[in-house]
Amino acid sequence: DTEVTQTPKHLVMGMTNKKSLKCEQHMGHRAMYWYKQKAKKPPELMFVYSYEKLSINESVPSRFSPECPNSSLLNLHLHALQPEDSALYLCASSFQGADTQYFGPGTRLTVL
Amino acid sequence: QQQVKQSPQSLIVQKGGISIINCAYENTAFDYFPWYQQFPGKGPALLIAIRPDVSEKKEGRFTISFNKSAKQFSLHIMDSQPGDSATYFCAASETSGSRLTFGEGTQLTVNP
Repeated sequence: DTEVTQTPKHLVMGMTNKKSLKCEQHMGHRAMYWYKQKAKKPPELMFVYSYEKLSINESVPSRFSPECPNSSLLNLHLHALQPEDSALYLCASSFQGADTQYFGPGTRLTVL
Repeated sequence: QQQVKQSPQSLIVQKGGISIINCAYENTAFDYFPWYQQFPGKGPALLIAIRPDVSEKKEGRFTISFNKSAKQFSLHIMDSQPGDSATYFCAASETSGSRLTFGEGTQLTVNP
């Protein structure tokens, strides 16, 4: 089973709201990723967790706060977002950092 | 900057035809080259991948050709079908790293 699940599928939030995106995998993968994807563009890496520790932060603004509570779960906490943050947020996982990455279906985020 | 250049940006093919998408890279440390297929509103799905120790890999109607000396690789879709209409991303990474470097994507349309 190569499934990464993400919730919610869609999220609309105001600029003062606090919300969270959730990602889950049960493949025993030890690396998990957050990507942001704008329309007609490739995914842009935001964060990488390896063995539940943050290993890469691609200079993402602090209004995005990742969390990895355990090896199967990855959260992205959102606060005071801007309209330009509206995008498809993708989670991915891989067995180890350099292996094939499997993507979830994404959360379509709209910031009003 | 480590780049992967992908062409064409868009491609229209008739049903039953061959779709060809090309990618070129600069970083000689790249040693893993996956192709992802993405339908609108969905996450990218791994289609096929190759490592530089082989020049070609075939899975069903999908074939990757790899030219290490030219630092180029390509995706061939044989007997293209309307259901293949999607955006295709090539990517590259180093075995020692966690970053996937994506091409800009090719929007493929297969007409019935």
